[in-house]
Amino acid sequence: GENVEQHPSTLSVQEGDSAVIKCTYSDSASNYFPWYKQELGKRPQLIIDIRSNVGEKKDQRIAVTLNKTAKHFSLHITETQPEDSAVYFCAAINQAGTALIFGKGTTLSVSS
Amino acid sequence: DTAVSQTPKYLVTQMGNDKSIKCEQNLGHDTMYWYKQDSKKFLKIMFSYNNKELIINETVPNRFSPKSPDKAHLNLHINSLELGDSAVYFCASSQGPGADEQFFGPGTRLTVL
Repeated sequence: GENVEQHPSTLSVQEGDSAVIKCTYSDSASNYFPWYKQELGKRPQLIIDIRSNVGEKKDQRIAVTLNKTAKHFSLHITETQPEDSAVYFCAAINQAGTALIFGKGTTLSVSS
Repeated sequence: DTAVSQTPKYLVTQMGNDKSIKCEQNLGHDTMYWYKQDSKKFLKIMFSYNNKELIINETVPNRFSPKSPDKAHLNLHINSLELGDSAVYFCASSQGPGADEQFFGPGTRLTVL
């Protein structure tokens, strides 16, 4: 079945720096790759997603890139702010196309 | 207006007890899910229902039994609770199974003593 590896597990940056989180997946048939943000004590919420027919997608300070050949995708956050501090999860759709398999999460800390 | 709601928010109980968590969504979605998030924050799918039918049943002890009385509700019943069941349980819903945005409920923090 699908397996999603996420790195790093923790990431500390200074306010204004960029942050990059990387994920790899195992099933070459996967075609949907969302990123969720979970603030402390809150529910996970979708921040951006990408489908396999595009290589990059941007939304203000957030961008996601996808390399289908290498089976990896990355989240890029520019000009980080303290409110970006949270746990970020990548995910990929499973082989049956019925569920998301999540990475183990990256705890991002942005210090001012 | 709450999109995905869960009750209760907190649940503290003794080992061996039976408990239920309820979930409701008012988004008109066809698919609902249960996830378990352990102390290491790992988010693992447990069950998924599409149009009231079970489509995913991951390797979960059979002490866990989901029930979907209609498309808007997915409840989780847990028998003979064990210490290792302590976790946050999230309900979620999406328009269809898989490649659609999932909307999560606020979570239920279960503590088994």
